Amino acid sequence: KQEVTQIPAALSVPEGENLVLNCSFTDSAIYNLQWFRQDPGKGLTSLLLIQSSQREQTSGRLNASLDKSSGRSTLYIAASQPGDSATYLCAVRVTGRRALTFGSGTRLQVQP
Amino acid sequence: DAGVIQSPRHEVTEMGQEVTLRCKPISGHDYLFWYRQTMMRGLELLIYFNNNVPIDDSGMPEDRFSAKMPNASFSTLKIQPSEPRDSAVYFCASSPDRAHTTNEKLFFGSGTQLSVL
Repeated sequence: KQEVTQIPAALSVPEGENLVLNCSFTDSAIYNLQWFRQDPGKGLTSLLLIQSSQREQTSGRLNASLDKSSGRSTLYIAASQPGDSATYLCAVRVTGRRALTFGSGTRLQVQP
Repeated sequence: DAGVIQSPRHEVTEMGQEVTLRCKPISGHDYLFWYRQTMMRGLELLIYFNNNVPIDDSGMPEDRFSAKMPNASFSTLKIQPSEPRDSAVYFCASSPDRAHTTNEKLFFGSGTQLSVL
């Protein structure tokens, strides 16, 4: 059974800092991996999707990398802003199964 | 497109009552998912549909839970009878069938906050 772990559970950084969020998964037979953002009281918004054949995806100040062999993904946020404050979740789709398995998330607070 | 639409946004009910949650997926999306989110267990898949057909309901907690998708634009999740431990945020999500592309993203509704007293 796929398990997804995110460390740290919470992170507080000053504005402008570059930061890295970590995600690890137990089953390397993944089809793709997505990073989501969740604001309090809201649904999840997909930020980046990496196919199993890809190493990274970039969108603006966000860069997500994938290392299947080690079962890890990172989300890099450059020049963090207070508006980046949210919970970030990673989710894995295993080959042969359409649904995603989610990590428990990292709650990020960017201090002005 | 208005995105995935869920109703109601909040539901407060008493133990033993029937609860029905509703979802309208994004037009053209082939997959619809129901997830439940709690502080203790995070996001858990309950059931998902492909072209209105239930594919995997292994996450449905017990027989008190049932889900239907009578057509491509509507799905319901019903709990009967409800119990306090069912209190959670229930999310509906949809995605297109875009195999091998980065367009296979999952789109979530705003969720239904359910409180069973």
